[in-house]
Amino acid sequence: DQQVKQNSPSLSVQEGRISILNCDYTNSMFDYFLWYKKYPAEGPTFLISISSIKDKNEDGRFTVFLNKSAKHLSLHIVPSQPGDSAVYFCAASARDYGGSQGNLIFGKGTKLSVKP
Amino acid sequence: EAGVAQSPRYKIIEKRQSVAFWCNPISGHATLYWYQQILGQGPKLLIQFQNNGVVDDSQLPKDRFSAERLKGVDSTLKIQPAKLEDSAVYLCASSYEMGGYTFGSGTRLTVV
Repeated sequence: DQQVKQNSPSLSVQEGRISILNCDYTNSMFDYFLWYKKYPAEGPTFLISISSIKDKNEDGRFTVFLNKSAKHLSLHIVPSQPGDSAVYFCAASARDYGGSQGNLIFGKGTKLSVKP
Repeated sequence: EAGVAQSPRYKIIEKRQSVAFWCNPISGHATLYWYQQILGQGPKLLIQFQNNGVVDDSQLPKDRFSAERLKGVDSTLKIQPAKLEDSAVYLCASSYEMGGYTFGSGTRLTVV
């Protein structure tokens, strides 16, 4: 049973336009969400995160939106650049009974292609 | 700061053979993770260490997989014997605090 779902395996966007990557989760206990970016032959690199007490977090061209009632988050990249072409993973975690943040649960990823 | 180092980068073995992967985390990072990423899927946690103690190994197939973290620094992950379905990228990550995961480049294992 997948707790973190990225239903779009791929997305193609024109350079300069907005890229929107979506992620849904099923576990209502998740309270911390992250996006990772992965280039071929490299490990995932942290991009941006959001805590459940917020509904938006922005860092330069990257903005993550969280809709807790819908259990949905999205990553917006504006404007998209060819160098943004990579696989983007959504990840989530929940605090355990001791209050410590739990391990990250990853989605399957969305491959973004930004065309010049 | 130096990143998470992993070796080898690639490994091809026959089924039923043994293989070991090595990871050197970022200096000072107490928490170390091993993830398995099968093609087309997201990374899946295999084991988490806090210093040299195991915090979570609930998803580690213990009949064939083993891992250790010597002196709370370097770690090795071993598969013995390997199966075809073990073909994946094995990622090591370390963190100082939650959200600060740094991943290594991974070891791509192909079992034939």
